[in-house]
Amino acid sequence: QKEVEQNSGPLSVPEGAIASLNCTYSDRGSQSFFWYRQYSGKSPELIMFIYSNGDKEDGRFTAQLNKASQYVSLLIRDSQPSDSATYLCAVNPILTGGGNKLTFGTGTQLKVEL
Amino acid sequence: DAGITQSPRHKVTETGTPVTLRCHQTENHRYMYWYRQDPGHGLRLIHYSYGVKDTDKGEVSDGYSVSRSKTEDFLLTLESATSSQTSVYFCAIGGGIDYTFGSGTRLTVV
Repeated sequence: QKEVEQNSGPLSVPEGAIASLNCTYSDRGSQSFFWYRQYSGKSPELIMFIYSNGDKEDGRFTAQLNKASQYVSLLIRDSQPSDSATYLCAVNPILTGGGNKLTFGTGTQLKVEL
Repeated sequence: DAGITQSPRHKVTETGTPVTLRCHQTENHRYMYWYRQDPGHGLRLIHYSYGVKDTDKGEVSDGYSVSRSKTEDFLLTLESATSSQTSVYFCAIGGGIDYTFGSGTRLTVV
């Protein structure tokens, strides 16, 4: 069974610190990787995606992928209270295109404290 | 959520009754999905569709059926609702970075 594992948290960080969220996956054939943010009572929203090994930066967010070790991580720099949410890691067996049956982790709850 | 609407937003139903949830999109997207989200399990795929009248099962399809007679509508039916189907149901459309979720339906089976 294809699995995506995340620490459920909560992960507590002080405002302004770097939050590091980790995800491991079991399907070595996975091709694309996504991070979603979900506020309580709301639907998931995409914040980062990554296809290639290495780092990908977008504003305060950096996604890191290591296919050999089968992990993907999300770094949030200068964490703000508005970043407090649950972060879902999702894995896709194909690179691009339609028919994406994403496999999600259970999510990590992040709390940014003042 | 622009382009994708779920109805109803909340529903309470009794065990053994049939229930239908609706997902409506205005994006003309080929792919549509139904997920359920439960504490400790995350989002799990129930069924998905890759076109009108083309559907397939996901990870947790037992007790659920779907229909897609028009591009814009994807219906999820619980044939005979059970308490284990109490959950938040999300519809999604798209693929890759275009994956977009609806606002969700909170279903309680009593």
